[in-house]
Amino acid sequence: GQQLNQSPQSMFIQEGEDVSMNCTSSSIFNTWLWYKQDPGEGPVLLIALYKAGELTSNGRLTAQFGITRKDSFLNISASIPSDVGIYFCAGQLPGAGSYQLTFGKGTKLSVIP
Amino acid sequence: DVKVTQSSRYLVKRTGEKVFLECVQDMDHENMFWYRQDPGLGLRLIYFSYDVKMKEKGDIPEGYSVSREKKERFSLILESASTNQTSMYLCAHGGLVEQYFGPGTRLTVT
Repeated sequence: GQQLNQSPQSMFIQEGEDVSMNCTSSSIFNTWLWYKQDPGEGPVLLIALYKAGELTSNGRLTAQFGITRKDSFLNISASIPSDVGIYFCAGQLPGAGSYQLTFGKGTKLSVIP
Repeated sequence: DVKVTQSSRYLVKRTGEKVFLECVQDMDHENMFWYRQDPGLGLRLIYFSYDVKMKEKGDIPEGYSVSREKKERFSLILESASTNQTSMYLCAHGGLVEQYFGPGTRLTVT
């Protein structure tokens, strides 16, 4: 199936630092979504992006839908300990049957107080 | 608040047992999904359903079946559990694009 390459796989940062992660593909996507998963819980939807070039914020989180439609970025500003978790990108391919999503393998974020 | 519940958070079953995992959503969404999540492999789609009594195979349907008798309820069935089905199972539901996940069921097959 289609692959979403998510990087970095993991990162350790100091509390207060900004964080940046991205998702790339060789295919064009119609929609990009970003999720966060806390340990032992299900993923929670953070941000949804619907058109190329779109920039959307949710509190300290900002995500962008790449202009080529083949990538997306998530930035977290002024990180805090509760930002710890795994962040997943997901995309919907054009014509995706029954609204299926393609998921990246996640970026594991650790925040050092 | 979007709410989706899964029947159990933790489950331990023996090899060969029949296992039922149930998911209930309160958003009146047409689409429901079952995934399994394993370290290093990410989220993999097992089955999905776009309407009552309708089902479609995902990427890894072998060893699983599903049932959707009511719009709000989607069940995953392991006919004869095996140790390689030890995993985190996640149910999701959605409309046109976004999917909303349940808390997950951590299944251990011994």
